[in-house]
Amino acid sequence: DTAVSQTPKYLVTQMGNDKSIKCEQNLGHDTMYWYKQDSKKFLKIMFSYNNKELIINETVPNRFSPKSPDKAHLNLHINSLELGDSAVYFCASSQGGNTDTQYFGPGTRLTVL
Amino acid sequence: GEDVEQSLFLSVREGDSSVINCTYTDSSSTYLYWYKQEPGAGLQLLTYIFSNMDMKQDQRLTVLLNKKDKHLSLRIADTQTGDSAIYFCAESEGGGADGLTFGKGTHLIIQP
Repeated sequence: DTAVSQTPKYLVTQMGNDKSIKCEQNLGHDTMYWYKQDSKKFLKIMFSYNNKELIINETVPNRFSPKSPDKAHLNLHINSLELGDSAVYFCASSQGGNTDTQYFGPGTRLTVL
Repeated sequence: GEDVEQSLFLSVREGDSSVINCTYTDSSSTYLYWYKQEPGAGLQLLTYIFSNMDMKQDQRLTVLLNKKDKHLSLRIADTQTGDSAIYFCAESEGGGADGLTFGKGTHLIIQP
């Protein structure tokens, strides 16, 4: 059983389009995250979300928005895609509390043409 | 702000030990992690250490933490070709919905 899954694995789209990436975790975790990994492999937190709060990295454009239909899902919506949005996007989840160990999905490679 | 630093590359011979180093600036760091990323793959959690520990060993992996110097290291004994990957150091304050702050990753290159 995959613990944290993402779809699609690859996403190729045109500039200006709106797209979504889905994330699901079956670990029963309370908190989910989105990270962006750029072409140099640098990883940055974009959002973290649990049922109490959404924490947004201030550098993330407001074209990006997380949507959580339930505790097991945190989808990433991106409006008006730009070339610079091309990256690998990772979803992660954690139980929260003291340990906060995060488990990552396999990533979605987004290419904006 | 928080910062985590790592060397970008490390080259070792197969069978030798690899030592990957990391420094961090946040005094509030409570948890420190090592993740492994193989080419084209996601992030695999290797191990983590609490800030009140000095050392943690798990099979071929040894993590050393010097809290005074804010220095973390990962030692891989008997390095194999399958260990070739990018290794990320990460830290968090824990206890909430904070994301991890990652280093830029160390590319471990194994020479035959």
